Amino acid sequence: SQKIEQNSEALNIQEGKTATLTCNYTNYSPAYLQWYRQDPGRGPVFLLLIRENEKEKRKERLKVTFDTTLKQSLFHITASQPADSATYLCAPRLGGYQKVTFGTGTKLQVIP
Amino acid sequence: DTAVSQTPKYLVTQMGNDKSIKCEQNLGHDTMYWYKQDSKKFLKIMFSYNNKELIINETVPNRFSPKSPDKAHLNLHINSLELGDSAVYFCASTDTGELFFGEGSRLTVL
Repeated sequence: SQKIEQNSEALNIQEGKTATLTCNYTNYSPAYLQWYRQDPGRGPVFLLLIRENEKEKRKERLKVTFDTTLKQSLFHITASQPADSATYLCAPRLGGYQKVTFGTGTKLQVIP
Repeated sequence: DTAVSQTPKYLVTQMGNDKSIKCEQNLGHDTMYWYKQDSKKFLKIMFSYNNKELIINETVPNRFSPKSPDKAHLNLHINSLELGDSAVYFCASTDTGELFFGEGSRLTVL
């Protein structure tokens, strides 16, 4: 069955450092991979989308990579800030958008 | 001006009761979803509708019945509530694959 795993339940990092979050998937080949941010008591908010033919995507301090051979996506936040503290969810997606399945999420805590 | 709005935000009820959660989006999207987020924060898809038609039903018990009166609304009715139904239910919509979520409806079954 399809499985999406994200690294560890929580990741603590010092302010100013680069946070790297991992998303691994098995038993399917998504055409796209999305990353979302979720704050406590709020709904997830879309951050970035990367396509299977793209190796890397950037948006301000965010960078996403997509390795279809390793079946893995890495999500980087450079120069991390306490305001980046949240849970980050990856969501691989098959072609078409009807079904979007989420990973287990990684809770990031940026320590001042 | 909220894009995806859900009501109620909080719902506390007894086992065996029937309850509904409503969702409306003003984004003009064709596709809407219901997701359930349990106590371990895992976000699981339940249903998806496209232009009022059910296109995804993820082995959800028959006690859950979604209804889409028009493409801007997707409601969730739950019969005979059980303790395990306690969770946060999120509505979402999309037209390009990027999901826009509501703020969630926290259901507590006592």
